[in-house]
Amino acid sequence: RKEVEQDPGPFNVPEGATVAFNCTYSNSASQSFFWYRQDCRKEPKLLMSVYSSGNEDGRFTAQLNRASQYISLLIRDSKLSDSATYLCVVNRGTNAGKSTFGDGTTLTVKP
Amino acid sequence: NAGVTQTPKFQVLKTGQSMTLQCAQDMNHEYMSWYRQDPGMGLRLIHYSVGAGITDQGEVPNGYNVSRSTTEDFPLRLLSAAPSQTSVYFCASSYVGPLGTGELFFGEGSRLTVL
Repeated sequence: RKEVEQDPGPFNVPEGATVAFNCTYSNSASQSFFWYRQDCRKEPKLLMSVYSSGNEDGRFTAQLNRASQYISLLIRDSKLSDSATYLCVVNRGTNAGKSTFGDGTTLTVKP
Repeated sequence: NAGVTQTPKFQVLKTGQSMTLQCAQDMNHEYMSWYRQDPGMGLRLIHYSVGAGITDQGEVPNGYNVSRSTTEDFPLRLLSAAPSQTSVYFCASSYVGPLGTGELFFGEGSRLTVL
């Protein structure tokens, strides 16, 4: 079993749709969690950190469930520009050398 | 605003050749790392460093060497290239705070093909 697993996707949704991605992690000692966005053939960029209390940034909401060991990303009112691959990242400790990336979920938003 | 700079952006090697991928950051970050990304997959950690003179292995270190003589630079050396090392390589850096490392800042990537 992979340490970090994401919905395989791809997700194809119309503009304006709400879409949710899930990510599960196997190591209960994991301490910090992130969502990164990666455009085709580009480098990943931080989308959001994920806090225990949940956090929201505009149309994006991230949630953490430590008991069930999963994190989620909700995108409301999808835009064409949201089309990308979303990577879940889990840190097992305070050292980012212990960061593990999921394989990513690809989202395509269509007109 | 240079951030993290990787060179070269593209490279073709023959099996058995050696080369060095360069990575430099100008944000005074303690933490630097190298990842590889194969098609349809996430990033896998090759080596990382938490400061000058300190390096450690990640998930897939075999066939690669690193050194960290300065805070700014973290080169990745392929000792004897193999076709299995065909991949996109990303260098990343981060600060280290009280809660550990923060956001990873990535270079634009180096696309390596080994024939």
